[in-house]
Amino acid sequence: EAQVTQNPRYLITVTGKKLTVTCSQNMNHEYMSWYRQDPGLGLRQIYYSMNVEVTDKGDVPEGYKVSRKEKRNFPLILESPSPNQTSLYFCASSFKDRGIPYSTDTQYFGPGTRLTVL
Amino acid sequence: QQQVKQSPQSLIVQKGGISIINCAYENTAFDYFPWYQQFPGKGPALLIAIRPDVSEKKEGRFTISFNKSAKQFSLHIMDSQPGDSATYFCAASYLLWNFNKFYFGSGTKLNVKP
Repeated sequence: EAQVTQNPRYLITVTGKKLTVTCSQNMNHEYMSWYRQDPGLGLRQIYYSMNVEVTDKGDVPEGYKVSRKEKRNFPLILESPSPNQTSLYFCASSFKDRGIPYSTDTQYFGPGTRLTVL
Repeated sequence: QQQVKQSPQSLIVQKGGISIINCAYENTAFDYFPWYQQFPGKGPALLIAIRPDVSEKKEGRFTISFNKSAKQFSLHIMDSQPGDSATYFCAASYLLWNFNKFYFGSGTKLNVKP
């Protein structure tokens, strides 16, 4: 089954304790992204990756790191979490048909990770 | 500053009624406008999408209406059913170095009453 998996699904931690949220996709997609979802703000992109070893900042990258050492995995790292990073996080992957000269893209989202930072 | 503005924040509709959710944007570089549906505890999933070279797209009970000059687009759910109760996000994207850069609206929580 084609899917994006995230772990853990729920996490409660304390300020300053480093954590990693894993993301894996089995669709051989080149593109992967991390979003955070907050009430009234919708989904905001944190980081994205266009391929292995190619990553770039999204719209709200402060306090986060990512890495893309393998095509299927795209972990999100919070080196020193703070309470304002309490949120619902989604990983997504997508495929771009280079034969099409405009943006048209279906993003496949993982089930989400609910993070609480005390 | 939100690139895509969505309204209403929440919506209650009777079974069989029409649900309408509206979105507006400013960036004329956007060239793809998808709607995502999210059920509690799940990630968003693509529902329907449109490009700006057409004014309407219909898939079953779901229709996107697109007004390029007004920079607005809307989702219409005909004959709304309790199973449609979910949060809906509009989005807009453009190509950034061959990568689709997405911006999402703030979401609309739809409750269809039986």
